Amino acid sequence: DVVMTQSPLSLPVTLGQPASISCRSSQSLVFSDGNIYLNWFQQRPGQSPRRLIYKIFNRDSGVPDRFSGSGSDTDFTLTISRVEAEDVGVYYCMQGSQWPWTFGQGTKVEIK
Amino acid sequence: EVHLVESGGGLVQPGGSLRLSCTASEVTFSGYPMHWVRQTPGKGLESVSAISPDGGTTYYANFVQGRFTISRDNFKNFLYLQMGSLRGDDMAVYYCVREGTPGSYDYWGQGTLVTVSS
Repeated sequence: DVVMTQSPLSLPVTLGQPASISCRSSQSLVFSDGNIYLNWFQQRPGQSPRRLIYKIFNRDSGVPDRFSGSGSDTDFTLTISRVEAEDVGVYYCMQGSQWPWTFGQGTKVEIK
Repeated sequence: EVHLVESGGGLVQPGGSLRLSCTASEVTFSGYPMHWVRQTPGKGLESVSAISPDGGTTYYANFVQGRFTISRDNFKNFLYLQMGSLRGDDMAVYYCVREGTPGSYDYWGQGTLVTVSS
């Protein structure tokens, strides 16, 4: 199975400051069609996960533009340009290139 | 907006069986692959099983292979997960999830809790 490794696992941030989460895969995520199916999800306390980003950098409708995704091959990053209070939660990367699809351990974002 | 609603979770003894169901409101999910994903405090999020839009192709994680069966009824707009030989490490919140875009989950249900205990 592809192992997804996130860092850091805990991220205290100051409101209005940027935050970045790293995600590394144990294998290349390039699918046979040439796409890289790397996703980012946000899970707020008590809620189901919600997709923010798909195929590395494509932001979902309704997701604030302070969220952005980048990366290639095996190294990926989720960046929040200016953290707001509503961004508190756990963030997961997930690869959908190889079955079984696998998730990172999660990064808990909290406000300092 | 798509709403996925799971049901069927509950308390079951080790070795027992349970069937989870999922239905969609507002829109059919018949044209999309559908998945079950589970979440535990210890292991986090895990893909459990997936099924093609017509139900002809299924996928399973190694840890449920031979014990769980995924199926769907596109006429009734239902997705199922038949779980058997349940173990303590199957205890989790199980989510019904839509693969609305290739390689990704776009909609999640609210989850249903499965507790395995004697």
